[in-house]
Amino acid sequence: DSGVTQTPKHLITATGQRVTLRCSPRSGDLSVYWYQQSLDQGLQFLIQYYNGEERAKGNILERFSAQQFPDLHSELNLSSLELGDSALYFCASSVATWGISGNTIYFGEGSWLTVV
Amino acid sequence: DAKTTQPNSMESNEEEPVHLPCNHSTISGTDYIHWYRQLPSQGPEYVIHGLTSNVNNRMASLAIAEDRKSSTLILHRATLRDAAVYYCILRDVRITGGGNKLTFGTGTQLKVEL
Repeated sequence: DSGVTQTPKHLITATGQRVTLRCSPRSGDLSVYWYQQSLDQGLQFLIQYYNGEERAKGNILERFSAQQFPDLHSELNLSSLELGDSALYFCASSVATWGISGNTIYFGEGSWLTVV
Repeated sequence: DAKTTQPNSMESNEEEPVHLPCNHSTISGTDYIHWYRQLPSQGPEYVIHGLTSNVNNRMASLAIAEDRKSSTLILHRATLRDAAVYYCILRDVRITGGGNKLTFGTGTQLKVEL
């Protein structure tokens, strides 16, 4: 158990709909990362927050957005869903946004999203 | 992020050592070498990391070439539970505005047989 909690574990929704994925980081971790893993794209970095502020942005679509709340939990919002958005979405957390000896990033078990 | 090159797949027998290679010829002086692995249907998990010297922990050993252009993850006695995709990742730990995300490549699929 990494200590990173993601909900829901599985989600099936229709095209055009909107979903919210939730992540609770490990206790004390200030940085939250979101990744998308699909069969053809591998693990793709989406976005990172540090203590409530956006810190880095990767291949995140404009239809997707995220935020980190004062209690440090984070939500990834996916809207106008398409079939190609079906993937496993991982949340990860770490102590700080920069590393001393490369701080470890801990991953949750992921949220399986199926768009039908 | 500097690029790493790993074999697509490797096979091992249970209880035998496994050496997983990684080439990173464009590594910079501030890049740490990280290894993560992903078991089926799970999130990636940290294995080990290092900068210049060889490193050991309870999971594995990391051997880093003197010129740092390559490294090898060593699993001393492979078990069936070690069957996973192993990712070699370079991570710059300077303080930057871009954060210190992990950039995953395609990794090496390790198959362990009885």
